[in-house]
Amino acid sequence: GIQVEQSPPDLILQEGANSTLRCNFSDSVNNLQWFHQNPWGQLINLFYIPSGTKQNGRLSATTVATERYSLLYISSSQTTDSGVYFCAVKTSYDKVIFGPGTSLSVIP
Amino acid sequence: EAGVVQSPRYKIIEKKQPVAFWCNPISGHNTLYWYLQNLGQGPELLIRYENEEAVDDSQLPKDRFSAERLKGVDSTLKIQPAELGDSAVYLCASSLVGNSYEQYFGPGTRLTVT
Repeated sequence: GIQVEQSPPDLILQEGANSTLRCNFSDSVNNLQWFHQNPWGQLINLFYIPSGTKQNGRLSATTVATERYSLLYISSSQTTDSGVYFCAVKTSYDKVIFGPGTSLSVIP
Repeated sequence: EAGVVQSPRYKIIEKKQPVAFWCNPISGHNTLYWYLQNLGQGPELLIRYENEEAVDDSQLPKDRFSAERLKGVDSTLKIQPAELGDSAVYLCASSLVGNSYEQYFGPGTRLTVT
């Protein structure tokens, strides 16, 4: 089946720094979504981005479906950005697969 | 607009006991998902419903897990009997039907089996 990888697995940032999180997938996908899981466990939608680029405030995402990857950019990071970031893909045979996540800690 | 509602938020039971989780999706969302999330890992799909129909239950351990979605709205996930390894967070999500599968998650139920 499809493999979803995320890198880096862990990331520590100083407040105000920028970062790029990556999601690679081994097969073509119909859809891709980025989530932030906060320290209380709630999964929060960031982007629904099967292709192209989207921006929302300090966050932006780019998916290049033909090359099977997606990037999440976080600029001017804040302590509230801490948590785990997941990408999730929907395959052409209707399976929903989450990546293993990137754990982000933003320190003041 | 209310989000996905789950109850209970926390549950502690002894092994071999039954347990049930309830989920109410966002109004108008025909697709409902149950996921299991172990500590330090991403969610894993257990079952997906389109209206009342379970269209993907390939990852549901059917010997002890069962689910239902009567009337195509809220859903119940049951474990009977629970095992120590079932300790995890059980997440419910919903989405509109169709090509867009943008999912919205509830807060989850944290199950501890002792």
